[in-house]
Amino acid sequence: AAGVIQSPRHLIKEKRETATLKCYPIPRHDTVYWYQQGPGQDPQFLISFYEKMQSDKGSIPDRFSAQQFSDYHSELNMSSLELGDSALYFCASSFGVHEQFFGPGTRLTVL
Amino acid sequence: SQQGEEDPQALSIQEGENATMNCSYKTSINNLQWYRQNSGRGLVHLILIRSNEREKHSGRLRVTLDTSKKSSSLLITASRAADTASYFCATDHDKIIFGKGTRLHILP
Repeated sequence: AAGVIQSPRHLIKEKRETATLKCYPIPRHDTVYWYQQGPGQDPQFLISFYEKMQSDKGSIPDRFSAQQFSDYHSELNMSSLELGDSALYFCASSFGVHEQFFGPGTRLTVL
Repeated sequence: SQQGEEDPQALSIQEGENATMNCSYKTSINNLQWYRQNSGRGLVHLILIRSNEREKHSGRLRVTLDTSKKSSSLLITASRAADTASYFCATDHDKIIFGKGTRLHILP
């Protein structure tokens, strides 16, 4: 069965650079969620979209923005990267408020 | 907050023994999910139990849910070395709120 796809799987950036992470939900899923997991930390909810509109917002820094496109894929844009942004970024998708399925994550390293 | 809080935070047991992890949460939920995460790897969904269910089995996994106590337990029977991982419970309303996880280590 198709799963959530995230790209890239690994990304290395310098401080103050910009990064874009992509998430392709499971077909027919209309809701996308972004989570950040720092080293040794539990995953933290960042933001979610339902039918291309932002539906909820968590601990997402102002330097980050995200959107969901007409094909339901989502992109997380991160600007002015800081060392503390180094983390695993997970995307999950669901159909409405049903069970969320997680992607494999993108590991971002900021040098 | 709907944060799930697992206990114990760390657990070491011998291979073949059963491992029990507990989770408590604070507000009403639609369902509760358990995830496994190997070090630095992705989250793997293990099992989901709905708020109107009390117990659910999947292979060597058994999950219970007590909505009156706002708690859940995950039992892994006949543990194996490959079960070594962090286990998170997560409550699900509009978004998933993760607890800090139980780090399970299976000793050979």
